[in-house]
Amino acid sequence: AQSVSQHNHHVILSEAASLELGCNYSYGGTVNLFWYVQYPGQHLQLLLKYFSGDPLVKGIKGFEAEFIKSKFSFNLRKPSVQWSDTAEYFCAVISYNTDKLIFGTGTRLQVFP
Amino acid sequence: NAGVTQTPKFRVLKTGQSMTLLCAQDMNHEYMYWYRQDPGMGLRLIHYSVGEGTTAKGEVPDGYNVSRLKKQNFLLGLESAAPSQTSVYFCASYGDGTNTEAFFGQGTRLTVV
Repeated sequence: AQSVSQHNHHVILSEAASLELGCNYSYGGTVNLFWYVQYPGQHLQLLLKYFSGDPLVKGIKGFEAEFIKSKFSFNLRKPSVQWSDTAEYFCAVISYNTDKLIFGTGTRLQVFP
Repeated sequence: NAGVTQTPKFRVLKTGQSMTLLCAQDMNHEYMYWYRQDPGMGLRLIHYSVGEGTTAKGEVPDGYNVSRLKKQNFLLGLESAAPSQTSVYFCASYGDGTNTEAFFGQGTRLTVV
């Protein structure tokens, strides 16, 4: 069955620290990959997406992610986090075969000044 | 341009009562999804639809029914609410073209007492 794993459940960082959040998926067919962010009390908003081409994708607010097909991974990175990045981050995968859009369990990021 | 609109935003039900959540999108998207969000569990897919008149089960479909009579609307029904269905429900729509993304509604906070 299609699934998405996010290894980091809760991450605490100081401002200016670097961030990397892990995401692995289990489906072997053609997939599209996403990272969404949810600020407290709000709905999900797209950070970045990968469909094809350059496996290093850049998104909004300085975030980037790298798709490594051989590892079924799509890790999210940011060189220097800010207090305003405090939020919950979700990795998601949609497969061309099933059309299911499946989310990981999320990573709660807290950034302290 | 409203995007994805969910109604109602809040609701309190007694055990055994029924209700319908409405999701409406104005982007002419084919795919629509219903999720529930619970602490530590991310977004879990309840049901989804890949076009008008079609529905399919997701990861946690028990206790819910859906209908997609019109392309722009996707209804989620609870026939006999249970306290375990207390959650925040999100609807999303997704275009079937290339380089697309899922757009989310603002959520419905449902409490079953």
